[in-house]
Amino acid sequence: QKEVEQNSGPLSVPEGAIASLNCTYSDRGSQSFFWYRQYSGKSPELIMSIYSNGDKEDGRFTAQLNKASQYVSLLIRDSQPSDSATYLCAVMGGFGNEKLTFGTGTRLTIIP
Amino acid sequence: KAGVTQTPRYLIKTRGQQVTLSCSPISGHRSVSWYQQTPGQGLQFLFEYFSETQRNKGNFPGRFSGRQFSNSRSEMNVSTLELGDSALYLCASSVTGGTSNTEAFFGQGTRLTVV
Repeated sequence: QKEVEQNSGPLSVPEGAIASLNCTYSDRGSQSFFWYRQYSGKSPELIMSIYSNGDKEDGRFTAQLNKASQYVSLLIRDSQPSDSATYLCAVMGGFGNEKLTFGTGTRLTIIP
Repeated sequence: KAGVTQTPRYLIKTRGQQVTLSCSPISGHRSVSWYQQTPGQGLQFLFEYFSETQRNKGNFPGRFSGRQFSNSRSEMNVSTLELGDSALYLCASSVTGGTSNTEAFFGQGTRLTVV
């Protein structure tokens, strides 16, 4: 079992619709959860962080965390063509395990 | 506020050579981590430094090493390069990398090609 798994892509969503990206992780001791966006040929860009159960909203982005189910998700509302990128879910352990473990990424394409 | 700066941006090396990559973190950030990104393996953790000490290490051979200086700048060295070392090497910095302030910000990366 992979440590961090993301829903397989690629994912195509019409412009203006909601894009839903999912991620599960295997280490129950994980403390911090992140979503990065990576455009082709560029480095990952942090778009959301979440540390406690529930929802966290930032503009058009909402991250959701359920530690009991070991599940993290990212919703992108009113999707724009500029949202087309690969989205990486990353999980960090607690003290003594300060490394990011990444999923393989989901490629999202917003169709105009 | 300046971001994470990695140098050089591109490198071409021959098998058997060694290479040193540099990373300057965001001002005030004391944790620096290194990652390797390849199309086949994705993003893989190499090592993490905090206050000049290696705190965490990934599953890479001993040919991969690093260090951190007192100003938090970090270098990564790969000796005896192999073709499979061709990858994008990314550096990320965070305030502490502990249980709080763990947001990590990446540099532009160094694209290493081994021929």
